[in-house]
Amino acid sequence: DIVMTQGALPNPVPSGESASITCQSSKSLLHSNGKTYLNWYLQRPGQSPQLLIYWMSTRASGVSDRFSGSGSGTDFTLKISSVEAEDVGVYYCQQFLEYPFTFGSGTKLEIK
Amino acid sequence: QVQLKESGPGLVQPSETLSLTCTVSGFSLTSNSVHWVRQPPGKGLEWMGIIRSGGSTDYNSALKSRLSISRDTSKSQVFLKMNSLQTEDTAIYYCTRSFIPNSGFAYWGQGTLVTVSS
Repeated sequence: DIVMTQGALPNPVPSGESASITCQSSKSLLHSNGKTYLNWYLQRPGQSPQLLIYWMSTRASGVSDRFSGSGSGTDFTLKISSVEAEDVGVYYCQQFLEYPFTFGSGTKLEIK
Repeated sequence: QVQLKESGPGLVQPSETLSLTCTVSGFSLTSNSVHWVRQPPGKGLEWMGIIRSGGSTDYNSALKSRLSISRDTSKSQVFLKMNSLQTEDTAIYYCTRSFIPNSGFAYWGQGTLVTVSS
């Protein structure tokens, strides 16, 4: 199975500051079709996960442009510019290259 | 609009079989895949399996021996059955699907909590 490893945040993050969450995969997620199969989700307290980013850098419909995804084949970053109170929750990366579709263990964001 | 809704027993005895239903609306099961994902309380997400638009399935190898996913397209329902439940199977169970194929889970149900306890 592909192992997804997420970094921690220096919580709490001051409101208005930027925050970057890292994720590393044990295998390259770059497919021969040129797409990198890495997704990002936010799970707010008490809610179902919400898709933020797919194919490493494509924002899902309705997602604020404060969220951006970048990376290589195995190292990825989700950047949140100017964090707001509504960004609080746990962020997960997920590989969508091969079964089982594994998730990282999650990175919690708290706002000051 | 696209909706998914899980339903199930809430409480299951250890060693028994879990049966969950995902009722969908706003799309056809013959045109879209549906996945199951679970989350133990306070822990992370685990992908369990998929039933594709054509009816074929794939399962997480960690659960494969205990898990079965099926569907009734006429009722727009997807079913999850998992046997030999243990306390570590206590979790919120979600059904979910992509917006574009292979693009992540854009649509989620609200989840159903299953507690395994005697």
